Amino acid sequence: QQQVKQSPQSLIVQKGGISIINCAYENTAFDYFPWYQQFPGKGPALLIAIRPDVSEKKEGRFTISFNKSAKQFSLHIMDSQPGDSATYFCAASGNNDMRFGAGTRLTVKP
Amino acid sequence: KAGVTQTPRYLIKTRGQQVTLSCSPISGHRSVSWYQQTPGQGLQFLFEYFSETQRNKGNFPGRFSGRQFSNSRSEMNVSTLELGDSALYLCASSLDASYGYTFGSGTRLTVV
Repeated sequence: QQQVKQSPQSLIVQKGGISIINCAYENTAFDYFPWYQQFPGKGPALLIAIRPDVSEKKEGRFTISFNKSAKQFSLHIMDSQPGDSATYFCAASGNNDMRFGAGTRLTVKP
Repeated sequence: KAGVTQTPRYLIKTRGQQVTLSCSPISGHRSVSWYQQTPGQGLQFLFEYFSETQRNKGNFPGRFSGRQFSNSRSEMNVSTLELGDSALYLCASSLDASYGYTFGSGTRLTVV
């Protein structure tokens, strides 16, 4: 049972462009929505996270948009850089349980 | 402060054998979760421990088991290994399983 659905599976963006990754969740008990970034050979690292009491959170070039009624949230990477090339995972958690999306492999072309 | 430490980093086992992986969480973190990562499957939840008790378990067969010690260190065991068990096994620790996961670098298990 996939509790968090993530799209697209892969994404290619030109340097300076905007990368957008979308996620949808099912369990309304989830109350914390983080995004993780993973480079080859490393474990995922927390990038940015949001709680459902706000609709948007921005940290530098990274923004989470959250739509509670639609049970959807997305990650926007502004001015994408080649160094942003990595796999991104959305997650949803609550009640001592965190579930992850399937991941998006982002490639930023110079 | 030290991060999450997983040992060993790499492991090659033969089909039918068993394996034990170790995870040392960040000091003070009492929750430890385990995930299996395979290409195209993302992070599949195995189980979560808090204060030596398993609180949640994913949809994996009984060959996959774990435990947590009083110092919060955790081990996971896979018995009767199958080729499909080849994966990166990740451990994450947190103060509370719902928030602030910190992952280790994982153990790459190859079953031949």
